[in-house]
Amino acid sequence: EAGVAQSPRYKIIEKRQSVAFWCNPISGHATLYWYQQILGQGPKLLIQFQNNGVVDDSQLPKDRFSAERLKGVDSTLKIQPAKLEDSAVYLCASSLGTEQFFGPGTRLTVL
Amino acid sequence: GNSVTQMEGPVTLSEEAFLTINCTYTATGYPSLFWYVQYPGEGLQLLLKATKADDKGSNKGFEATYRKETTSFHLEKGSVQVSDSAVYFCALSDQGAGGTSYGKLTFGQGTILTVHP
Repeated sequence: EAGVAQSPRYKIIEKRQSVAFWCNPISGHATLYWYQQILGQGPKLLIQFQNNGVVDDSQLPKDRFSAERLKGVDSTLKIQPAKLEDSAVYLCASSLGTEQFFGPGTRLTVL
Repeated sequence: GNSVTQMEGPVTLSEEAFLTINCTYTATGYPSLFWYVQYPGEGLQLLLKATKADDKGSNKGFEATYRKETTSFHLEKGSVQVSDSAVYFCALSDQGAGGTSYGKLTFGQGTILTVHP
């Protein structure tokens, strides 16, 4: 069974630029999550989708971050404009039940 | 809100030593508890879990017991190997209304474990 796919794996941008990350969950997984993991910290949930609806986006900085999952399968997370403090690994996870399966992450560096 | 506190690291051990990584939590209701592991260069993987009080999760020689009275979920292994070197995260998943788990994970800050031969 294929795991959660994410791209790109690495991205370097300058502050105030835009960036987008893509996630393809495990086939059949209705729930999809985006987490932000800052160096030296545990992952923090940004947004949770159930199919194509948002369940929880309480910790998403909505002035600059947006996410969508239009067809209830793959998802895109966008940052516009980026700030230095957005440097982190962005993890996508999917689940069918209680266990979440994580992708390899996208490491973002904002200069 | 929910929170998870792990013992500060990093932890450095010799092969075959006993390992304990402490984890305590604060949550409302009846959370499920997890330990995730992140090996160098790899993504997060579920190591073990426990879904109710007094449950013991175990996998690959690691164990952790859900202690509601002390709000703890300490990770233990009797004899560590070099291949256990990784970052370990304690996490909890809150429960939605009516006992339905929405699956949102709250993580601790992670503990770096290094095992020397």
